[in-house]
Amino acid sequence: AQKVTQTQTSISVVEKTTVTMDCVYETRDSSYFLFWYKQTASGEIVFLIRQDSYKKENATVGHYSLNFQKPKSSIGLIITATQIEDSAVYFCAMREGRENYNVLYFGSGTKLTVEP
Amino acid sequence: ETAVFQTPNYHVTQVGNEVSFNCKQTLGHDTMYWYKQDSKKLLKIMFSYNNKQLIVNETVPRRFSPQSSDKAHLNLRIKSVEPEDSAVYLCASSWRVGGNTLYFGEGSRLIVV
Repeated sequence: AQKVTQTQTSISVVEKTTVTMDCVYETRDSSYFLFWYKQTASGEIVFLIRQDSYKKENATVGHYSLNFQKPKSSIGLIITATQIEDSAVYFCAMREGRENYNVLYFGSGTKLTVEP
Repeated sequence: ETAVFQTPNYHVTQVGNEVSFNCKQTLGHDTMYWYKQDSKKLLKIMFSYNNKQLIVNETVPRRFSPQSSDKAHLNLRIKSVEPEDSAVYLCASSWRVGGNTLYFGEGSRLIVV
């Protein structure tokens, strides 16, 4: 069964606007970690932001922020004031809390295109 | 700035040949990984390895094997490549504990003809 699901395959926005990318996850662990990564056109995968399940406050880093809705098993990525260089594929990922099983499960990605 | 280095970046080979990809990380992490990214961009874990434990994704064919000389290096060997092995192989590293943010290399693209 898919542990991490991204239903939006692609999104197109005009620069300087705000975009939200959806992600839902599935786990039985009470403690888990959620991540968003970005893959640029060159193939490089870059870590953006994370949310630890025990934290109630939504994480924010620069113009990235998260909308963590634990009861809905949802972790949305919000990018404000989008720029052309934000165009990339965005992956949501989850790591379950079992200490010795240190693997990330990735969603299928959402391709973001930011147009002038 | 890249701190996980992979070589080669690109490799074309014929069915049945042996291939090796090398990975080195300079972050001082204790755990390294290999992920496979297919043509649909799906990322799937192949191996997770630190100096104490190798965890293998049970779906990985036996012709794939990780090789490590120390905690900063994790290579990937494919004994006899098949057409379905064509993909991008991504190396990553992290700390084993503490939430496990992964840092990726730039990938090694394999094309099997």
